[in-house]
Amino acid sequence: IQLTQSPSSLSASVGDRVTITCRASQAISTYLAWYQQKPGKAPKLLIYAASTLQSGVPSRFTGSGSGTDFTLTISSLQPEDFATYYCQQINSSPYTFGQGTKLEI
Amino acid sequence: EVQLLESGGGLVQPGGSMRLSCAASGFTFGSSAMSWVRQAPGKGLEWVSSISGSFVTTYYADSVKGRFTITRDNSKNTVYLQMNSLRADDTAVYYCAKDFWGASHDSWGQGTLVTVSS
Repeated sequence: IQLTQSPSSLSASVGDRVTITCRASQAISTYLAWYQQKPGKAPKLLIYAASTLQSGVPSRFTGSGSGTDFTLTISSLQPEDFATYYCQQINSSPYTFGQGTKLEI
Repeated sequence: EVQLLESGGGLVQPGGSMRLSCAASGFTFGSSAMSWVRQAPGKGLEWVSSISGSFVTTYYADSVKGRFTITRDNSKNTVYLQMNSLRADDTAVYYCAKDFWGASHDSWGQGTLVTVSS
């Protein structure tokens, strides 16, 4: 299963609302996770089951979608949100990641 | 607190072998599936392999199938990745990760760099 994220990069400002999309090459129900990665650091799980917020993640992060189309929305960007975001399908092995979306100031 | 500590990375020649280890603590290791995810320099994340808590079931990316083997020792709270027939495109930071919901990963190690070069 291939995952295609768009856009590949995105420029935004503090306070903006941004949306990242992830499209699967075949239906995966809600077997999708979203991660945030900052330079030189391990990824951090933000959302699983397409829309369930991981414990400790701010509520400005929202995930939605099912089937083949998914979105990650950040409602009001904070300085610490500038990072690269990845989706991952966990419907079936191999558990592929999207190519990433770099969110820049 | 969950802790995952990878070791065993370094420089290896093409065609060589290397074994990575990941020592886990802070959770019930034997009940948790574990995975390896890698990231080539400047590139995105690539899932490599997973093993179930009972270590009966293993999964591999097509790019490593037949060359890499994931195992675990529940008595030592450690998961391993044996890498054989290494190629230049295996060069990456290798992360150990604890599986959470399905094969999502809620805890990650700091990563260990594997460089395949002559």
